[in-house]
Amino acid sequence: DQQVKQNSPSLSVQEGRISILNCDYTNSMFDYFLWYKKYPAEGPTFLISISSIKDKNEDGRFTVFLNKSAKHLSLHIVPSQPGDSAVYFCAASFGNEKLTFGTGTRLTIIP
Amino acid sequence: DTEVTQTPKHLVMGMTNKKSLKCEQHMGHRAMYWYKQKAKKPPELMFVYSYEKLSINESVPSRFSPECPNSSLLNLHLHALQPEDSALYLCASSQRDRLYSEAFFGQGTRLTVV
Repeated sequence: DQQVKQNSPSLSVQEGRISILNCDYTNSMFDYFLWYKKYPAEGPTFLISISSIKDKNEDGRFTVFLNKSAKHLSLHIVPSQPGDSAVYFCAASFGNEKLTFGTGTRLTIIP
Repeated sequence: DTEVTQTPKHLVMGMTNKKSLKCEQHMGHRAMYWYKQKAKKPPELMFVYSYEKLSINESVPSRFSPECPNSSLLNLHLHALQPEDSALYLCASSQRDRLYSEAFFGQGTRLTVV
């Protein structure tokens, strides 16, 4: 049972434009959400997180939006840069339960 | 220092071999984790150590044996592995106050069992 889903396995975006990565979850107990970025042959790198008491969190070019009623979160990257090309995982947890990762979206930024 | 260092980066081992994966962090994190990641799949949690004690074992086969010698080190001892155990093994650490949150990951050990 995949509790965290990233329905787009891949996404291509022109450099300088906005990249929007989406994530849906089914477990309403989740109260903390994170995005990780992964380059080939490297471990995931934490990008940004959001608690369920908020609906938006910004950090530089990265903004995460949370829609609790829709059980949906998204990561916006503006402007997109070639170095943003990577696989992006969303993850969710509640309390001290384990992080549940989504299946990942491969983002390719086209110069 | 925000690094989690894993050694070796690559490992090829036979099914009768015994080997160990090592992980080190100096961020003062009190929670450390082992994850396994297969190609095109998300990381899967294997073990969690909290304050150097094993707190979570996600029903991992006994051919994988974790060890936490101190708060900075985490080992994963491997014995009699199967070819299907070939994967990327990731170590991670995080602050204790929110277990699992904002975990810092190492680069991983690419394990091939032949």
